Amino acid sequence: EIVLTQSPATLSLSPGERATLSCRASQSVSSYVAWYQQKPGQAPRLVIYDASNRATGIPARFSGSGSGTDFTLTISSLEPEDFAVYYCQQRSNWPLTFGGGTKVEIK
Amino acid sequence: EMQLLESGGGLVPPGGSLTISCAASGFTFSSWAMNWVRQAPGKGLEWVSGISSTGGTTYYADSVKGRFTVSRDNSKSTLYLHMNSLRAEDTAVYYCAKDSGRRDDYWGQGTLVTVSS
Repeated sequence: EIVLTQSPATLSLSPGERATLSCRASQSVSSYVAWYQQKPGQAPRLVIYDASNRATGIPARFSGSGSGTDFTLTISSLEPEDFAVYYCQQRSNWPLTFGGGTKVEIK
Repeated sequence: EMQLLESGGGLVPPGGSLTISCAASGFTFSSWAMNWVRQAPGKGLEWVSGISSTGGTTYYADSVKGRFTVSRDNSKSTLYLHMNSLRAEDTAVYYCAKDSGRRDDYWGQGTLVTVSS
């Protein structure tokens, strides 16, 4: 099973600041990583797939990068609605696995 | 509009069984693989099971293998998760999600399964 490690666990930032979230895989997953956003009481929402492709309706301030074992989700300038928990997921091998999540909170 | 609606959650005693469902609408259900993902209270996401578009191939997390069975009825556009030998650690909100190849692009709102005596 591929283990995904997300860091940091919590990111405290102010609106307008840049957020950089990391996801590291225990072995290569090529570019088959997706990122999801989850707000309290809501289902997850797809943000990025195949490491760097924005999902439908996702603003351009969200970007993803990486390949192999190291991946990054960047939010260039945080808007109030971006404060949430973000999960990475590898889609390379079964079983599919998620990282533990990064909470982006208002400082 | 694409929609996934889970149902069938509830309270079940340890060792009991439960089947939850996911009714799909707004897209051609039979063309897409589907996944079940769960989230224990206050915890992160855990992938549980996946099934191919025809139902011919299924996948399971080690934590549920041998106890859970995923199935689908394409004529009813419905996905199922049959859960046996339930444990307290199976308590979670269970989400179904449409697998668009390398990503889950639509999710239901989830159904809560509570395993407790």
